[in-house]
Amino acid sequence: EVVMTQSPGTLSVSPGERATLSCRASQSVSSSLAWYQQRPGQAPRLLIYSASTRATGVPARFSGSGSGTEFTLTISSLQSEDVAVYYCQQYNNWPPYTFGQGTKLEIK
Amino acid sequence: EVQLLESGGGLVQPGGSLRLSCAASGFAFSSSAMTWVRQAPGKGLEWVALISANGLGTYYADSVKGRFIISRDNSKNTHYLHMSSLRAEDTALYYCAKGSAASGFDPWGQGTLVTVSS
Repeated sequence: EVVMTQSPGTLSVSPGERATLSCRASQSVSSSLAWYQQRPGQAPRLLIYSASTRATGVPARFSGSGSGTEFTLTISSLQSEDVAVYYCQQYNNWPPYTFGQGTKLEIK
Repeated sequence: EVQLLESGGGLVQPGGSLRLSCAASGFAFSSSAMTWVRQAPGKGLEWVALISANGLGTYYADSVKGRFIISRDNSKNTHYLHMSSLRAEDTALYYCAKGSAASGFDPWGQGTLVTVSS
């Protein structure tokens, strides 16, 4: 099973500043990596797939990078509506599909 | 509009059974793999099961294998999660989602809550 590890657990960023979230896989997942946003009280929403492709309707301030075992989600200019928990997920070696434990993003 | 609507959650005693449903609309359901993901209270996301578009391929997390069965009825644009031998640790919000081997899970329903307690 591929173990996904996210860091940090909680991130506090000022409005308008850049937020950088990390995700590491225990073995290579190529570019088969997705990022999800879960706002408080809501279902998860796909943000990024194939490590760097934005899903339909996702603002351009969200970008993904990486391949193999190291991945990054960057929010270039934090908005209040970006407060959420962000999860990475690998879909290269399945079953099982595996998620990271999440990074909670807060406004400073 | 693409939409997924879960139903069937509720309170069930340990050892009991429950069937969750996920009704889909707005996309080619019969051409899409479908999946279930759960989230225990205050916890992260855990993948549960996936069924291929034609229903011939089914896959499960080890934590539910032998107790849960995923199925689908393409004539009704609906897929199901049959849960049996339920345990307290199965308590969670269960989400259905459209699955893809190439682009993650999208979209997701709003979830249905399953509580296993005596």
